[in-house]
Amino acid sequence: AQRVTQPEKLLSVFKGAPVELKCNYSYSGSPELFWYVQYSRQRLQLLLRHISRESIKGFTADLNKGETSFHLKKPFAQEEDSAMYYCALSTVNQAGTALIFGKGTTLSVSS
Amino acid sequence: SAVISQKPSRDICQRGTSLTIQCQVDSQVTMMFWYRQQPGQSLTLIATANQGSEATYESGFVIDKFPISRPNLTFSTLTVSNMSPEDSSIYLCSVSGIQQGNGYTFGSGTRLTVV
Repeated sequence: AQRVTQPEKLLSVFKGAPVELKCNYSYSGSPELFWYVQYSRQRLQLLLRHISRESIKGFTADLNKGETSFHLKKPFAQEEDSAMYYCALSTVNQAGTALIFGKGTTLSVSS
Repeated sequence: SAVISQKPSRDICQRGTSLTIQCQVDSQVTMMFWYRQQPGQSLTLIATANQGSEATYESGFVIDKFPISRPNLTFSTLTVSNMSPEDSSIYLCSVSGIQQGNGYTFGSGTRLTVV
């Protein structure tokens, strides 16, 4: 079954602390994974995509096929990173491809 | 990057009525997606709408409850029919392939409250 699991509903850290938002997936094919972020009162937006292997706003994520994980990391959290983070998997369905989402993790960064 | 306009942004509706949500994209796209985000939950795909064909619904969603139109490559509507309080959610449209990195772009959502 296709599934995205984000085990933490809430992650609270202090400013300057390292952050790791966990994401595990279940997919029989070659996975294409994304991290989306939703800041307060803003629309959902793409943070990064595993294929691009880029770093956005200091965040990185590495696909580990052995552990079926795509954890999001940042070495030093900032208060402006406080938001809801969703891990998503691109899957193939009857109509083509579509995203399925994990339940999301709220990141709260305090000073 | 391309812009998605979704309206209404919010509405409060009486049970038993229907609401049509519109999604307009400022570039042509093949696939448009409709999602539901129930309170405190993640996003769930309702259906995929390709221009010129019937929408493809995910398990648990049916056309009679959520009819979708896709008259051209820049526009789609989702109707929530015969509403009940359980339909209170945020409904979002999304498109793929218009953003650098080929990610999916989302509208700002429609917050629906059924009373």
